[in-house]
Amino acid sequence: DVKVTQSSRYLVKRTGEKVFLECVQDMDHENMFWYRQDPGLGLRLIYFSYDVKMKEKGDIPEGYSVSREKKERFSLILESASTNQTSMYLCASSLSGGASMSYNEQFFGPGTRLTVL
Amino acid sequence: GNSVTQMEGPVTLSEEAFLTINCTYTATGYPSLFWYVQYPGEGLQLLLKATKADDKGSNKGFEATYRKETTSFHLEKGSVQVSDSAVYFCALGSPYNNNDMRFGAGTRLTVKP
Repeated sequence: DVKVTQSSRYLVKRTGEKVFLECVQDMDHENMFWYRQDPGLGLRLIYFSYDVKMKEKGDIPEGYSVSREKKERFSLILESASTNQTSMYLCASSLSGGASMSYNEQFFGPGTRLTVL
Repeated sequence: GNSVTQMEGPVTLSEEAFLTINCTYTATGYPSLFWYVQYPGEGLQLLLKATKADDKGSNKGFEATYRKETTSFHLEKGSVQVSDSAVYFCALGSPYNNNDMRFGAGTRLTVKP
């Protein structure tokens, strides 16, 4: 079974703090993703990475950065947390397309619920 | 661009009732379509998928058929159980870029005994 783990289930931080959210997958997937989930808005992509040290901005990258130094690990960084970053953060991974370009199932971690006070 | 619209919730049903959650999409080409489920306190899990027109995805009594003519992928279950209470997300995967997945807003289902 694919397993995607996230470092914390719940996190409380103060405005202005630097926050690290860690994600690890054990299935040798090339692609990794960070989403935030807010009521009524579904999932919105923050950043994704298709290879080590490679990253691309998603729909809402402002206020976030990412790091991928190893294939299995993808970190989301909030340089200076703000209250509007209070949300559920979901990490996901998937295989690269290759010959199966249409088959792009993503596997999700359990989520980190971040509260910024 | 690609997008997904699913029916707003919340949806409340009695046990053994019939469930339909509507999902329609806008996309170029032939996307893959997915239903994910999120149980309380957990991440998303793939429920079912379909990768081409007229395919029917099914799992745990849930079904959805990829309808190209109506650009729809409605989720159905004939008899829901209390354990089906969760949030359901319709999603679309681009046929040109497998990093591009679009999710609906989610529909919360509560099943009462």
